[in-house]
Amino acid sequence: KNEVEQSPQNLTAQEGEFITINCSYSVGISALHWLQQHPGGGIVSLFMLSSGKKKHGRLIATINIQEKHSSLHITASHPRDSAVYICAVRGLYSGGGADGLTFGKGTHLIIQP
Amino acid sequence: NAGVTQTPKFQVLKTGQSMTLQCAQDMNHNSMYWYRQDPGMGLRLIYYSASEGTTDKGEVPNGYNVSRLNKREFSLRLESAAPSQTSVYFCASRHYPSWGNTEAFFGQGTRLTVV
Repeated sequence: KNEVEQSPQNLTAQEGEFITINCSYSVGISALHWLQQHPGGGIVSLFMLSSGKKKHGRLIATINIQEKHSSLHITASHPRDSAVYICAVRGLYSGGGADGLTFGKGTHLIIQP
Repeated sequence: NAGVTQTPKFQVLKTGQSMTLQCAQDMNHNSMYWYRQDPGMGLRLIYYSASEGTTDKGEVPNGYNVSRLNKREFSLRLESAAPSQTSVYFCASRHYPSWGNTEAFFGQGTRLTVV
């Protein structure tokens, strides 16, 4: 089973700072997801990527398949970015409808005004 | 579109009581999932349904049953609730088949407390 490690577990930063959250996994994957969970609990998918880099607004996600590592960056952070960010990976051979997803424990981000 | 809708949002049960968590999606997805989220742990898969009419166990199925009522709806039942089932439950859906490269959509979660 894939082991997914996220760092840091908790991060408090000031508004405007550049934020980096890291995710490492232990075996090959077909896709990596970054999810956002706001206070109040709902989970929203931010990115799904299997190579390279994706950007959406102030959010950037990168993945290095060889190093089994992904990063989520937030530029010009804002208090509304405060949330738990979750990394999840899908194994190479997931099938039969099973999601095959292994989730990290999440990074709790607080952006202070 | 509403996406994935879960009910109820909050529930308190006494040990031994039963209840059903409801989930519905309006995206015509064929795969649906139930997860639980516990403090200090990643989400864990309870049951999934690859398509209408099929259901299978995930990582932590004990104490739960599911029903895929139709393509839209996937319910999770606790027959005799236990304090260990205190958790936040998420329903999700995605388009299948695909070898991993489809996005999952999640509901808002149900916070269940068993006392």
